[in-house]
Amino acid sequence: GAGVSQSPSNKVTEKGKDVELRCDPISGHTALYWYRQSLGQGLEFLIYFQGNSAPDKSGLPSDRFSAERTGGSVSTLTIQRTQQEDSAVYLCASSRGTGEGYGYTFGSGTRLTVV
Amino acid sequence: AQRVTQPEKLLSVFKGAPVELKCNYSYSGSPELFWYVQYSRQRLQLLLRHISRESIKGFTADLNKGETSFHLKKPFAQEEDSAMYYCALFPRAGSYQLTFGKGTKLSVIP
Repeated sequence: GAGVSQSPSNKVTEKGKDVELRCDPISGHTALYWYRQSLGQGLEFLIYFQGNSAPDKSGLPSDRFSAERTGGSVSTLTIQRTQQEDSAVYLCASSRGTGEGYGYTFGSGTRLTVV
Repeated sequence: AQRVTQPEKLLSVFKGAPVELKCNYSYSGSPELFWYVQYSRQRLQLLLRHISRESIKGFTADLNKGETSFHLKKPFAQEEDSAMYYCALFPRAGSYQLTFGKGTKLSVIP
């Protein structure tokens, strides 16, 4: 596609429920990243996928968070048993490759509110 | 591990006044540094990168390896510059992820 697409744009969920956030990267971009943007905390790295390599999950805050990327394209970030502190904007970005720090293109994000 | 520090959460300046958004980093190697900007209700986008040595929308940033800084400057602020600014570091070796500072909200007062 023309840009990185994320859905839903907004999600309100009850504490304890599971949520799935979707990211559709730019066609041909092999690298895909998830970040969390919280007020006053900036952008926090969550997970990174590059081609068929094992993902870098070093940023996931707990085992309630997981992500997968199917067919090297669409990615889904899943948060199980959501907590209020999970409320944030979840950003996805893609780039052509791992060596291109400048090439990140960000989606518009999913605003998650846990009530 | 790399770290990016933006000491100011909020910076308010009058229109026409000079702007300097501070960024300091720590990294053992030779990184690439970037400034990203997020205007109200828009997605995060790249503003400039240090290796390009370019001026975008009147903004410049010089990498000072001695002081490990990459401050963003503009001589005359405009109202449309009001936005959230993030400094980011990309390591040339090791992990392949951008590390962001916590951001500075720039408010230009008319």
